[in-house]
Amino acid sequence: NAGVTQTPKFQVLKTGQSMTLQCAQDMNHNSMYWYRQDPGMGLRLIYYSASEGTTDKGEVPNGYNVSRLNKREFSLRLESAAPSQTSVYFCASSELGFAGGPSEEQFFGPGTRLTVL
Amino acid sequence: QKEVEQNSGPLSVPEGAIASLNCTYSDRGSQSFFWYRQYSGKSPELIMFIYSNGDKEDGRFTAQLNKASQYVSLLIRDSQPSDSATYLCAVKGGSNYKLTFGKGTLLTVNP
Repeated sequence: NAGVTQTPKFQVLKTGQSMTLQCAQDMNHNSMYWYRQDPGMGLRLIYYSASEGTTDKGEVPNGYNVSRLNKREFSLRLESAAPSQTSVYFCASSELGFAGGPSEEQFFGPGTRLTVL
Repeated sequence: QKEVEQNSGPLSVPEGAIASLNCTYSDRGSQSFFWYRQYSGKSPELIMFIYSNGDKEDGRFTAQLNKASQYVSLLIRDSQPSDSATYLCAVKGGSNYKLTFGKGTLLTVNP
């Protein structure tokens, strides 16, 4: 099992360009999440998908869109990249999400390091 | 808005010592508490979680929870240089089951 995979690993964009970050999990998990991690800011939730066919905003959704393509895949799109979106982006998944209760673990992908010039 | 506060560090301890990492949280309804370890340039990985008051031990790691004081800690006994990493405290529960992370504490274990 590969767990949670993310592509690309690194990306440099110019301001105004668009791109899609891809995430896939092979653990048959219902819930998937996108976080960003900035120095001194910890991990902040951008969007999440509690189950296939549903998505919802997290703490910092502005400037992003998501698509839960199927149970395995959850993509994050930047329509018009800005320097403030320079960050490390992590995708995560969990088996049941909110239905899994308070002890359920989230599993993280390796991250995408994005720089917007 | 849930808040999770951690000592920003960095925390430096000698090899073999006990490292103590602390975390406080604002939402009294929080139900479970997670400690993740993150090596530089890597993704977070779960060390342990706790949801009952008291101590929970797993090898060299002990998590301690005091819900009355809204405080959770992680003790690492016999610290090793391989424990050098950023430790993230995360809190779940209350009004929803989303994870809220602290900013992390950088731990350095000196040989």
